[in-house]
Amino acid sequence: DQQVKQNSPSLSVQEGRISILNCDYTNSMFDYFLWYKKYPAEGPTFLISISSIKDKNEDGRFTVFLNKSAKHLSLHIVPSQPGDSAVYFCAANGGTSGSRLTFGEGTQLTVNP
Amino acid sequence: EAQVTQNPRYLITVTGKKLTVTCSQNMNHEYMSWYRQDPGLGLRQIYYSMNVEVTDKGDVPEGYKVSRKEKRNFPLILESPSPNQTSLYFCASSLLALGTGAYEQYFGPGTRLTVT
Repeated sequence: DQQVKQNSPSLSVQEGRISILNCDYTNSMFDYFLWYKKYPAEGPTFLISISSIKDKNEDGRFTVFLNKSAKHLSLHIVPSQPGDSAVYFCAANGGTSGSRLTFGEGTQLTVNP
Repeated sequence: EAQVTQNPRYLITVTGKKLTVTCSQNMNHEYMSWYRQDPGLGLRQIYYSMNVEVTDKGDVPEGYKVSRKEKRNFPLILESPSPNQTSLYFCASSLLALGTGAYEQYFGPGTRLTVT
């Protein structure tokens, strides 16, 4: 029962263009969402988060959008840079789960120079 | 430097030979967790701990044990490893969220385990 799904295993974009990574969730108790970035041979690192009381959160080139009615969130990276090439994980938290995070499968982003 | 450390980074072992992967954090975090990463399945939680002597099962706890005797350490124990436990393992820690929301989790560098 995959409660957080990232349906695109991979995404390839040109440097300077926008990257859009998508994430869907099924558990209506989730009320806090995070994106992590992972480079090879390293652990995931936190990128950006959003609470369900907001529909958008922005941090530099990274913006996360939340559509609660559709149970969908997306991460926009503008402009994309080759150093953004990594696996991106969507994670969700909420209800009685305390600090527990439920992760999606991940999307491999490749930004081509 | 704030960090989560794991040892060993790489391990090749044989079926049934008990092993322990250590995890330590220096941020005084209450919450610690173990994940495994497998292709197409993302990060799945094995066990977690909300404080010393408080541990609970995650989504895939079978075949694993943990202990939390000290706040900084959270070792993962495989009593009798099997080939299906071949995976990439991550330890993580964070402050403990008592209400809505979650604090960002800090991850260790990972342990690549192969069980033959």
